[in-house]
Amino acid sequence: NAGVMQNPRHLVRRRGQEARLRCSPMKGHSHVYWYRQLPEEGLKFMVYLQKENIIDESGMPKERFSAEFPKEGPSILRIQQVVRGDSAAYFCASSRTWRGDTYEQYFGPGTRLTVT
Amino acid sequence: AQKITQTQPGMFVQEKEAVTLDCTYDTSDPSYGLFWYKQPSSGEMIFLIYQGSYDQQNATEGRYSLNFQKARKSANLVISASQLGDSAMYFCAMREGFAGNNRKLIWGLGTSLAVNP
Repeated sequence: NAGVMQNPRHLVRRRGQEARLRCSPMKGHSHVYWYRQLPEEGLKFMVYLQKENIIDESGMPKERFSAEFPKEGPSILRIQQVVRGDSAAYFCASSRTWRGDTYEQYFGPGTRLTVT
Repeated sequence: AQKITQTQPGMFVQEKEAVTLDCTYDTSDPSYGLFWYKQPSSGEMIFLIYQGSYDQQNATEGRYSLNFQKARKSANLVISASQLGDSAMYFCAMREGFAGNNRKLIWGLGTSLAVNP
């Protein structure tokens, strides 16, 4: 009965390097969401994906950030050429196929990215 | 414009007492959902309770209940019989829309709750 898995839990990158964050949704869930939490703040929506499709990327920065959810394997959030301002906790959530109004997003433990 | 407002940055409560965490929201969509999540110091985000805009009754889940006042656009979380393990950050979140692809959650800044023994 595994929940949402994220790895790594902690990631340290130097400025200019690439960061790859992975998310495996709960079994049976086909919807993945990425959120970013800056220190002392609430979560900010980044992107919503279904298998092989980006549904809503309105919260993604225009440059350096990309996300994918391939047919096989985990969802990947990729940050190129990281800067200090990218340091944050990145949360992945998943939900089941929508039926009705009630559903909840189940969150992974988060990846804490530190850019030095 | 901020759509979820949590006006209490920090709250204290005595163990075994009840506490109310405030949340107000702003939306022009008649269909929406309201969520509360708990984030302990370990960092994970734990779903607590959900209220749909068309639900006739206030949601309850064990010691958690949601005081939903639609006209005031408020969705306060009530925790009864507080326990030491309730010490955490609490976030209110909203999803606008009933169907379709608009599923993103909009979050408040959170309230830090400390339960005193």
